Amino acid sequence: EVQLVESGGGLVQPGGSLRLSCAASGFTFSNYWMSWVHQAPGKGLEWVANIKQDGSEKNFVDSVKGRFTISRDNAENSLYLQMNSLRAEDTAVYYCGRIFQTTGFWSGYVYWYFDLWGRGTLVTVSS
Amino acid sequence: DIQMTQSPSSLSASVGGRVTITCRASQSISSYLNWYQQKPGKAPRLLIYAASSLQSGVPSRFSGSGSGTDFTLTISSLQPEDFATYYCQQSYKIPWTFGHGTKVEIK
Repeated sequence: EVQLVESGGGLVQPGGSLRLSCAASGFTFSNYWMSWVHQAPGKGLEWVANIKQDGSEKNFVDSVKGRFTISRDNAENSLYLQMNSLRAEDTAVYYCGRIFQTTGFWSGYVYWYFDLWGRGTLVTVSS
Repeated sequence: DIQMTQSPSSLSASVGGRVTITCRASQSISSYLNWYQQKPGKAPRLLIYAASSLQSGVPSRFSGSGSGTDFTLTISSLQPEDFATYYCQQSYKIPWTFGHGTKVEIK
């Protein structure tokens, strides 16, 4: 079965650290860009970070730059998010997402979108 | 950053009715616009990519249109399982950004 399963969430104090994991199965993990997206309680979705297939390129939203690191282990079919210096506003469900790229037949443009999501893991930052 | 503005933020509709949700980008994003459906406590699900392409397995009552800055998601005949929150998302420029969502409720 094609799926993503997140783990590692929990309660952490402000200023603390947490490492999230995402286990991929049912597809060739190393062929895809991967991403983390979070959703604060009762709020909308926010993209957090992307990582290229070989880990050579990474992008982050400004609010987590310098605090969060994204990495992957293609041999283990796993994606990670190391979160340091956590703040109350980082409280959210964190989703792992697979990024699909497709080329428009007429335009030749390369389109990117999340075609597979995990069920999420909840991170709560509170004292 | 590119701001994505969805309207309305919520709407009530009847089963069988037609629903239209709009999404406006703060700058041109060509056709780099995706739509997702999310039900409470569940992960989002891709409906439409590249503004108008229907994802495999998604019912044909869902359709998307638009380019540049203005986009729409249409549900032609609302079904009970379509009551959910819908998000647009641009993948034109990092940071990728989502709209704030449109909650579709039962009338």
